[in-house]
Amino acid sequence: GAGVSQSPSNKVTEKGKDVELRCDPISGHTALYWYRQSLGQGLEFLIYFQGNSAPDKSGLPSDRFSAERTGGSVSTLTIQRTQQEDSAVYLCASIEGQGAVYGYTFGSGTRLTVV
Amino acid sequence: DQQVKQNSPSLSVQEGRISILNCDYTNSMFDYFLWYKKYPAEGPTFLISISSIKDKNEDGRFTVFLNKSAKHLSLHIVPSQPGDSAVYFCAASDGTSYGKLTFGQGTILTVHP
Repeated sequence: GAGVSQSPSNKVTEKGKDVELRCDPISGHTALYWYRQSLGQGLEFLIYFQGNSAPDKSGLPSDRFSAERTGGSVSTLTIQRTQQEDSAVYLCASIEGQGAVYGYTFGSGTRLTVV
Repeated sequence: DQQVKQNSPSLSVQEGRISILNCDYTNSMFDYFLWYKKYPAEGPTFLISISSIKDKNEDGRFTVFLNKSAKHLSLHIVPSQPGDSAVYFCAASDGTSYGKLTFGQGTILTVHP
């Protein structure tokens, strides 16, 4: 597609339920990032995928969070047993190649609300 | 530990005037700095960047200044236009982390006609 696509755009879930957030990067972009923005906070790095290399999961806030990237394309971020502090906008970005800090293309994000 | 800080949550300016958005950082390993602009319900879009070997970079109405000794950067928008109203994030990279960026909290800029 022309841009990075994220779905759903909005998700309201009950505390304790699991959620899956999806990211479709730009075709051919090898690197994919997940960030989140909590209310009043900057964007917080969560996880990074580059090609077939092992992902950098150093930003995941707890073991309730996991992510995968199938076939080097679509990525799914899963949050198990959601908590209210998980409420945030979850943003996905992709770039072509590696280290191109100026080349991030962000999706529009998924606004997650845990009630 | 907030390594990139934008201490002004909001800024309001008149159309045609200069907007100055500020950003401070603490990590001396950062060597590349960027500004992103975000409209509601959209993802951030890249605006302008600067390498630590420079102290100024200009692109049309947008200029970024870097003061390494003070660990401070600023974004100047001249002249400001109502369409510039958005959230502005500064971000930094240490050059060793495959493009991973550390972002500030953002500043909401409102430009009044």
